[in-house]
Amino acid sequence: DAGVIQSPRHEVTEMGQEVTLRCKPISGHNSLFWYRQTMMRGLELLIYFNNNVPIDDSGMPEDRFSAKMPNASFSTLKIQPSEPRDSAVYFCASSLQGARNTIYFGEGSWLTVV
Amino acid sequence: QKEVEQDPGPLSVPEGAIVSLNCTYSNSAFQYFMWYRQYSRKGPELLMYTYSSGNKEDGRFTAQVDKSSKYISLFIRDSQPSDSATYLCAMNRDDKIIFGKGTRLHILP
Repeated sequence: DAGVIQSPRHEVTEMGQEVTLRCKPISGHNSLFWYRQTMMRGLELLIYFNNNVPIDDSGMPEDRFSAKMPNASFSTLKIQPSEPRDSAVYFCASSLQGARNTIYFGEGSWLTVV
Repeated sequence: QKEVEQDPGPLSVPEGAIVSLNCTYSNSAFQYFMWYRQYSRKGPELLMYTYSSGNKEDGRFTAQVDKSSKYISLFIRDSQPSDSATYLCAMNRDDKIIFGKGTRLHILP
């Protein structure tokens, strides 16, 4: 079975550039989560969607970050403009009916902003 | 005070030893308690899941929850080199999962 698929796996970009991270959740899952992981702050929830609708975006650090889920099989996380402090691993995860069921993580997108 | 505290390690133990990993938390509203394992350059994967105080066993792994002390533990018996990973505790609140920072574990052959 295909798991959560993320792209790109690695991205190096210059400060000020736009970054778009993509996610395909597990088929049939209706909840999707975006997390960011750093050594300093650990794994932080940025935003989560239920049935393609953003439910909680309180973890989105600032207006430079935006996320969309146009349909049940695709989501994007965009950073514009990017800054060096955005360097982190960004994980997408999905589940059936929210966080009370097992959430399955993708392998992450490793972002470096120089 | 952070909602979930976890010692980052690293923790190095010899193969075959019993490993004890722990987390404390401050919010009594947490309902579900989980342990995730994360191998290097991979996403976290669910290892254990429990919602009540007491012990839950799955093979070499035992999860323990003490709600009165706001303390959870993961025990690994007969540890193997393949258990070397980062272990993250996690707790559910209001349909959100809050993660600890993770403990890096090295099992020495």
